[in-house]
This record gives sequence, structure tokens and C-alpha cells, in this order.
Amino acid sequence: ETGVTQTPRHLVMGMTNKKSLKCEQHLGHNAMYWYKQSAKKPLELMFVYSLEERVENNSVPSRFSPECPNSSHLFLHLHTLQPEDSALYLCASSQDRRSGGYTFGSGTRLTVV
Amino acid sequence: AQSVTQLDSQVPVFEEAPVELRCNYSSSVSVYLFWYVQYPNQGLQLLLKYLSGSTLVKGINGFEAEFNKSQTSFHLRKPSVHISDTAEYFCAVCNQAGTALIFGKGTTLSVSS
Repeated sequence: ETGVTQTPRHLVMGMTNKKSLKCEQHLGHNAMYWYKQSAKKPLELMFVYSLEERVENNSVPSRFSPECPNSSHLFLHLHTLQPEDSALYLCASSQDRRSGGYTFGSGTRLTVV
Repeated sequence: AQSVTQLDSQVPVFEEAPVELRCNYSSSVSVYLFWYVQYPNQGLQLLLKYLSGSTLVKGINGFEAEFNKSQTSFHLRKPSVHISDTAEYFCAVCNQAGTALIFGKGTTLSVSS
């Protein structure tokens, strides 16, 4: 247990479904991140939240919608996904955006069928 | 913008042999550098980080890395590896202004007996 908890660990969804990924941290960190990890590709930064405000959105398709209701929780809402969106989605948190010492969750393995 | 190049995608070694995983970065500004490890079906775990000061950084599990500004490198080393070191290793960079971590493609370290 790293201090960052992601649920569910595995998710299989159809292209017409709507689902949400959840990330929770109780480390007192002020920044949270969503990364996408696909096979044979570098980790791709998707979204950055600092003090509950979205500060980076790296050209992510609108079928991915993040939500940060408070400093401890981060969601990734999914709808009408494509098979190429199948990947490991990793959440991370850090004390602030400058520290770089991220704590990662174990990830959600998403399969779109 | 920053970028990271991990020069080897796979490094096979025998147990108790030394290992070096190479990482080069590109940035026009001062950076922070990191190495993370990912075991199967898990998230990323911080091995070590360079923020400032001594260029030789020691991390967990007997790993160390040396920051070389002139060669823009941050290679990871371990004098004697164990089977349990088999994992994916990621080099990462962020600038001191506080942008999020940018990761390399990763190096798979395979330790056999």
C-alpha cells in the first residue's frame, strides 16, 4: 500500500459504456496527476491538478473527463471510449508540483471491448 | 520543453553482476531528475532523485545514480543485482518551474541465475 489507492484495479467496458476511475490519497499532498501507460510507449501525462484546480490538460480527447472534488480525491470519467484507450491508468500525487517525488497508485487496467 | 531518452529498452544480466541503465535528458533549463521502478502489476515506486547538491545520489535497494551535467546524463547503477531486481525502470525529468514529470520509455531489467 503506497498511500495512493486506485479503484477498480481492473475494468472491462464496452465502447458505449460510462464508467469512472477513482483515486484517493491521504498523504496531505496538494497535487494529483493522471497518467496513461500503454505497451511500448512512454507514460503519457493526461491531467494535472494543483490545489483542486486543473493546471495541465495535455490534448486529451474529451471522452476522458477528470474531476477533483477535493485535495484527496481524483476521478477520471470515461465515456464512449475506443479500443485504443485500453491501457493502465495511473494516478499519482505529490506534495507540490515542484517536488517531483510522486507517489503512484497501483493503477487501473482498462480494457475497452 | 524537456525530454528523456533511455538508451536501452532491455538489459539482461546474471545475478550478482553489476548493471548500468542509461538515461540522457534534454532541457534548456535546470532540471530535477528521478528514477522509478515498476514491478509487474504495480504502480511506479521512487528509487532515487537528484534535486541539487552532490551529483552522486543513493537510493533504495542498493541503487545509485550520478548526475552529469556536461553529458546531460543520469545513469542508474547497482554493483550486484538480485533476481528480485527484475522490473521496469523509468527515468524522469521535470523542470524547476514545476511542470509535471516527463518519463522515458523505460528499460526492462531481467536478472537470471
